Amino acid sequence: KQEVTQIPAALSVPEGENLVLNCSFTDSAIYNLQWFRQDPGKGLTSLLLIQSSQREQTSGRLNASLDKSSGRSTLYIAASQPGDSATYLCAARDSGGSNYKLTFGKGTLLTVNP
Amino acid sequence: SAVISQKPSRDICQRGTSLTIQCQVDSQVTMMFWYRQQPGQSLTLIATANQGSEATYESGFVIDKFPISRPNLTFSTLTVSNMSPEDSSIYLCSVVSLNTEAFFGQGTRLTVV
Repeated sequence: KQEVTQIPAALSVPEGENLVLNCSFTDSAIYNLQWFRQDPGKGLTSLLLIQSSQREQTSGRLNASLDKSSGRSTLYIAASQPGDSATYLCAARDSGGSNYKLTFGKGTLLTVNP
Repeated sequence: SAVISQKPSRDICQRGTSLTIQCQVDSQVTMMFWYRQQPGQSLTLIATANQGSEATYESGFVIDKFPISRPNLTFSTLTVSNMSPEDSSIYLCSVVSLNTEAFFGQGTRLTVV
């Protein structure tokens, strides 16, 4: 059974700092991995999707990497802004028979202070 | 990408009652997914809704408690039945694009009192 862990659970940084959020998964046979942002009490916004054959994806100030062999992914946020404050979730998609199934981590609560 | 409209966005309900949550997608999709996010927890898949067939429920979730309808390829409903305070959660519907990117609605925040 896939398990996804995110470290740290919470992170507080000053505006302008570069930061890294970590995601680990126990079963390396994933189809892809996706990073989301969730604002309080709201739904999820897709940030980046990395297919199992890819090593990284970039979108603006965000860069996500994937190392399947070690079961790790990182989300790098450059020049953080107060508007980046949210919970960041990673989710691994199984590559087995139920290849649509996503397993989520508990998220990292990011606070960017002005 | 897919645009998903979910309603209501929030509700406060009495225990013992039922609430039906609606999910509308702006394009036709084969599968729609319903998730629950309990306070302080991550997302847990409740069931997968396929058009024209019964929903497939995950372990720990049953049809009597969470009946699902899927009348066409753009719409689904999830009902939370006979609610108790333990059902207080955010409920989210989701679809998957052709490249298996997942998209979510804005969620329904349910409080049972």
